[in-house]
Amino acid sequence: EADIYQTPRYLVIGTGKKITLECSQTMGHDKMYWYQQDPGMELHLIHYSYGVNSTEKGDLSSESTVSRIRTEHFPLTLESARPSHTSQYLCASSEYEGQYGYTFGSGTRLTVV
Amino acid sequence: GQSLEQPSEVTAVEGAIVQINCTYQTSGFYGLSWYQQHDGGAPTFLSYNGLDGLEETGRFSSFLSRSDSYGYLLLQELQMKDSASYFCVGPSFNKFYFGSGTKLNVKP
Repeated sequence: EADIYQTPRYLVIGTGKKITLECSQTMGHDKMYWYQQDPGMELHLIHYSYGVNSTEKGDLSSESTVSRIRTEHFPLTLESARPSHTSQYLCASSEYEGQYGYTFGSGTRLTVV
Repeated sequence: GQSLEQPSEVTAVEGAIVQINCTYQTSGFYGLSWYQQHDGGAPTFLSYNGLDGLEETGRFSSFLSRSDSYGYLLLQELQMKDSASYFCVGPSFNKFYFGSGTKLNVKP
């Protein structure tokens, strides 16, 4: 049973479209994260949140935005998609630093044509 | 800055033992975690070392030496299903930094 859900699983859209990638978790975790990962490459942190109404940019520059209005929900929005946004986007949550690690969602594989 | 270095690829045969090393240059890391990721899948948490020394979980063991900024993941009795990418991860100030990843190929 998955505790963190991402939708859609796959998405192909045209350049210039606005899209929102959904992420929800049922574990009550305060900390949530968005990572971007190209095939066979490392994960790059693009956004994170410590709790409701708290959002921060990560280490990788991104043209996306996030919001955290509810503890369980952390959507990521691209206002105008470009082919360079083609990648896998992974959402994760955690409770305690380190010891229990992240729980990841299944990811959204985005292709912008 | 934060950086964690791993070998890019390792190949071993079924039943063997393999060690994946991770060296890091960073400040503020208070432990080291390891994640497994199969092709097309999401990373899954394997282990965490909050203290120096060895942690054992079944066929997998992980080691940390904070004085040497070094850790490793040891996989014993390799199985074909262990073919995956393995990432060391350093937690620091509410964020997690991922290593470059090691692709493990297990051959029959």
